[in-house]
Amino acid sequence: GAGVSQSPRYKVAKRGQDVALRCDPISGHVSLFWYQQALGQGPEFLTYFQNEAQLDKSGLPSDRFFAERPEGSVSTLKIQRTQQEDSAVYLCASSLQATEAFFGQGTRLTVV
Amino acid sequence: RKEVEQDPGPFNVPEGATVAFNCTYSNSASQSFFWYRQDCRKEPKLLMSVYSSGNEDGRFTAQLNRASQYISLLIRDSKLSDSATYLCVACVWGQNFVFGPGTRLSVLP
Repeated sequence: GAGVSQSPRYKVAKRGQDVALRCDPISGHVSLFWYQQALGQGPEFLTYFQNEAQLDKSGLPSDRFFAERPEGSVSTLKIQRTQQEDSAVYLCASSLQATEAFFGQGTRLTVV
Repeated sequence: RKEVEQDPGPFNVPEGATVAFNCTYSNSASQSFFWYRQDCRKEPKLLMSVYSSGNEDGRFTAQLNRASQYISLLIRDSKLSDSATYLCVACVWGQNFVFGPGTRLSVLP
């Protein structure tokens, strides 16, 4: 595709439910990033892949958060046992090495 | 202390005004710098990269001061359509992009 694609665009989850958020990066982009953005805040780093290798997961807030990119292309961010504080927009971005990052439109997660 | 800091604003300026945003970063290993623009409920989009020599793109000028670890963005002759949040970004090659909290700009008629 022409840009970064994320699905679903919106997700409402009941507290305690597991969710999976998908990201299709720009074809050929080696680097893939996940960010969490709360209302009125800048994007906060969650995790970073270079191809299929997860090089940095220091931003994942708890062990309920898990990300994978098994074939170095599509990535999934999974949140287990969702809690209300997980409500945010989850942004995925892809990049060639050290050049600008292109963002998807994000998944707006609301935990009720 | 956040790794990238910005004044959150809001900056309310009249059309045609010149406005400047500042940003500081704490990681001296940062090598690439960017300004992103984010409209309400939209994803961030690249406005411009920031080079050591400074760079200009139409009404927008970006400057980098490595010694002071400081980045700036100047918008001249501001338009209503410039109203948005401006995000400062620092990146160490091979690592993640670190975003500031953003500066909100409202250009008023």
